[in-house]
Amino acid sequence: QSALTQPASVSGSPGQSITISCTGTSSDVGGYNYVSWYQQHPGKAPKLMIYEVSNRPSGVPDRFSGSKSGNTASLTISGLQAEDEADYYCSSYTSSSTPVFGGGTKLTVL
Amino acid sequence: QVQLQESGPGLVKPSQTLSLTCTVSGGSISSGSYYWSWIRQPAGKGLEWIGRIYTSGSTNYNPSLKSRVTISVDTSKNQFSLKLSSVTAADTAVYYCARGLKTSSFDYWGQGTLVTVSS
Repeated sequence: QSALTQPASVSGSPGQSITISCTGTSSDVGGYNYVSWYQQHPGKAPKLMIYEVSNRPSGVPDRFSGSKSGNTASLTISGLQAEDEADYYCSSYTSSSTPVFGGGTKLTVL
Repeated sequence: QVQLQESGPGLVKPSQTLSLTCTVSGGSISSGSYYWSWIRQPAGKGLEWIGRIYTSGSTNYNPSLKSRVTISVDTSKNQFSLKLSSVTAADTAVYYCARGLKTSSFDYWGQGTLVTVSS
């Protein structure tokens, strides 16, 4: 059960759009439409931002969107805001019926 | 609004057993098709799924920790618990409890509790 691969860091200026990738295999990301994304601010618990690849829980701004192509899922944040600066983690359902997380990506808003 | 709260010792000696409890409020732990999970995060590192329990009592564990982990549930107290045996410094982390869906996403999390393994 290897961790999913995310870039260590991404950055963008306020108002811009950024995309964070999450690469797995056909046994996890590529095999199921069950990819989730979490936002974590320092010292806080993770917060679910996207589930089942592209669905937003109630209360999550529509600036956050998710997609998937093959074994790679992506989180896009448009109209970047200072409050979006945080760590972001992807996770996926796996062929073992258990979850696996990505290594995390630090988003810096310049 | 469902809320989860971890509790347990913040300091555990090497080779001993780490024990944590998660108390669920705002809803019954027995209602709905949810998995109740433990997830940990060493300082400055990523999230690691430890394992989960369904209210029927069935469990699944991360293969890398399976030999040392036991997760149990007490529906009468609306709680579930984690035991991690033979701990070492590598088990020092913030431990979270979370409510999981069958699709393996986690919609509610506890605030997390820091457990340090040290003599």
